[in-house]
Amino acid sequence: QSVLAQPPSVSGAPGQSVTISCTGNSSNLGAGYDVHWYQQIPGTAPKLLLYASTDRPSGVPDRFVGSKSGTSASLAITGLQAEDEADYYCQSYASSLNGRKWVFGGGTKLTVL
Amino acid sequence: EVQLVESGGGLVQPGRSLRLSCTASGFTFDDYAMHWVRQAPGKGLEWVSGISWNSDDIGYADSVKGRFTISRDNAKNSLYLQMSSLRPEDTALYYCAKGQGFTLLDSLDYWGQGTLLTVSS
Repeated sequence: QSVLAQPPSVSGAPGQSVTISCTGNSSNLGAGYDVHWYQQIPGTAPKLLLYASTDRPSGVPDRFVGSKSGTSASLAITGLQAEDEADYYCQSYASSLNGRKWVFGGGTKLTVL
Repeated sequence: EVQLVESGGGLVQPGRSLRLSCTASGFTFDDYAMHWVRQAPGKGLEWVSGISWNSDDIGYADSVKGRFTISRDNAKNSLYLQMSSLRPEDTALYYCAKGQGFTLLDSLDYWGQGTLLTVSS
């Protein structure tokens, strides 16, 4: 079970919008750490999609929008396209008695219908 | 162009050791933190370890702490992961990833294609 909880799957038709949630706790998102999002097309390496909760690297379309509030974050994808079909992962930093570490969500498979 | 090329994976028996390497190019290696992230077959991403630009800050996942050691050689633009007491559950594709900044807090903006480690007798 991942420290950051994501829905296993979401789906939407082309042109529609979907939202992927990422729920943490007081030791990660709730502690003020940023959340980052990655897109992984099957058979390829992950790609940075959003960083610092809301910022897009160069080349990422503005159809991808991030937000964060308290212990939760979300990734919204508008105007769905067939090429968006992929796995999406959230990532944050976590602090505990055992030290600091990165944590990933379990991943969400987006199906474009 | 940023390139990260992992090597050193393969088939190894449980309990043995192995060292993974990552050779970087296309950026000033000693300005950035570096990480190892793994992905077991059909599973999600798991952060393994990270090291700051000057090796002063290092972190490990609980699952590998005490068995794996991360290091870097800035003169050789290389990142390493020394793995010992390997277990079948360490079987995964191991990615080398570049931090967006020089600390461990930054996101991972470039990834290699991975090297596959299989731990089996």
